Amino acid sequence: AQKITQTQPGMFVQEKEAVTLDCTYDTSDQSYGLFWYKQPSSGEMIFLICQGSYDEQNATEGRYSLNFQKARKSANLVISASQLGDSAMYFCAMRERNYGQNFVFGPGTRLSVLP
Amino acid sequence: GAVVSQHPSWVICKSGTSVKIECRSLDFQATTMFWYRQFPKQSLMLMATSNEGSKATYEQGVEKDKFLINHASLTLSTLTVTSAHPEDSSFYICSARDQGLAGLPADTQYFGPGTRLTVL
Repeated sequence: AQKITQTQPGMFVQEKEAVTLDCTYDTSDQSYGLFWYKQPSSGEMIFLICQGSYDEQNATEGRYSLNFQKARKSANLVISASQLGDSAMYFCAMRERNYGQNFVFGPGTRLSVLP
Repeated sequence: GAVVSQHPSWVICKSGTSVKIECRSLDFQATTMFWYRQFPKQSLMLMATSNEGSKATYEQGVEKDKFLINHASLTLSTLTVTSAHPEDSSFYICSARDQGLAGLPADTQYFGPGTRLTVL
């Protein structure tokens, strides 16, 4: 079974508008972390934001916020005030305490910001 | 934030040759580094976990004799693709975890910029 699901292979958003990228996860572990990375066409993976399973407040980093709904096992990324430079692939990832140190990545969502 | 470098950033080689890719953590010590492979328009797939001073742990389906990993120091891990073939052409990315945050599930991995390997 897929551990990380990103149901939107591609998304379009108008510049300056907000956009939500979906991510659902599957784990039986009580302690885990959820991450979002941005991958522009250059290929590098840029860390955006993370959320620990025990964090009570949703994580925020500048224009990025993580809408963490533990009961639903979802960790959606919200980008406010989209910019043209936000066009990229976005990957949701999870790290479970009981399964070592490595990440499991979702299939990704390609975001295109329209001028 | 922490910086991870990779060298080379791209390499083209003939079939049958070996290629070495270096991954360095520049401003922190990394007891654990990870090697991923990414085919076009696909997600990252973990190949192996590299632990300083010990043998790497390979994911199922990854040939350890073909993808040699050495983690000789706390700041350097190398991936050698031996006897490369065209099907090994891919984007290889390493990542490293800051030792100072060991044990926290939400501690971050920092990724290198990747190495694009093309085998002719």
